[in-house]
Amino acid sequence: AQSVAQPEDQVNVAEGNPLTVKCTYSVSGNPYLFWYVQYPNRGLQFLLKYITGDNLVKGSYGFEAEFNKSQTSFHLKKPSALVSDSALYFCAVRDMSNYQLIWGAGTKLIIKP
Amino acid sequence: GAVVSQHPSWVICKSGTSVKIECRSLDFQATTMFWYRQFPKQSLMLMATSNEGSKATYEQGVEKDKFLINHASLTLSTLTVTSAHPEDSSFYICSARGTGGEQYFGPGTRLTVT
Repeated sequence: AQSVAQPEDQVNVAEGNPLTVKCTYSVSGNPYLFWYVQYPNRGLQFLLKYITGDNLVKGSYGFEAEFNKSQTSFHLKKPSALVSDSALYFCAVRDMSNYQLIWGAGTKLIIKP
Repeated sequence: GAVVSQHPSWVICKSGTSVKIECRSLDFQATTMFWYRQFPKQSLMLMATSNEGSKATYEQGVEKDKFLINHASLTLSTLTVTSAHPEDSSFYICSARGTGGEQYFGPGTRLTVT
């Protein structure tokens, strides 16, 4: 079955430290992978995507993600966290058989000063 | 877990006709629903935010007379694409936010206008 897992409900990081938000997926065929961020009381904002090509994808606000086919993972990373990065982060994969999006449950990222 | 459904999952319509897409929160009440649009290989674009019982708030550049949003109950929001044209062909996704602030996404509706 197609699925996306974000194993951590919440991630706590001190400001200035590197952060990682995990995402693993299970789909048939080649996946299209996305990360979105949602700030309080706002809609989703696009961060980055992987379609093909370089496994390391750079996105908005200094975020990057690495596609790892063997581990079926697409973890979101940032070298130095900011307090303003505190938000909800969603990983999603597009099922290319029907074009539907499969969403992770979301991970709450808390950056402490 | 909470489930959000969309109906239909895929619709093909002729140019000039209107299409209604439903978004339902199946086991929770959604005070707020969001509507997004996604073009092939591109990211989601927020179209509008709808709160139950009030008018939707549209993002800049989204035609409110073309994309009619109704949020008549705490479990149902509808998006009507009026006088559809081929350039409206896209993938439309809704999300629903519960009273506790959690948010859940629908699987999307693929609209093809011929």
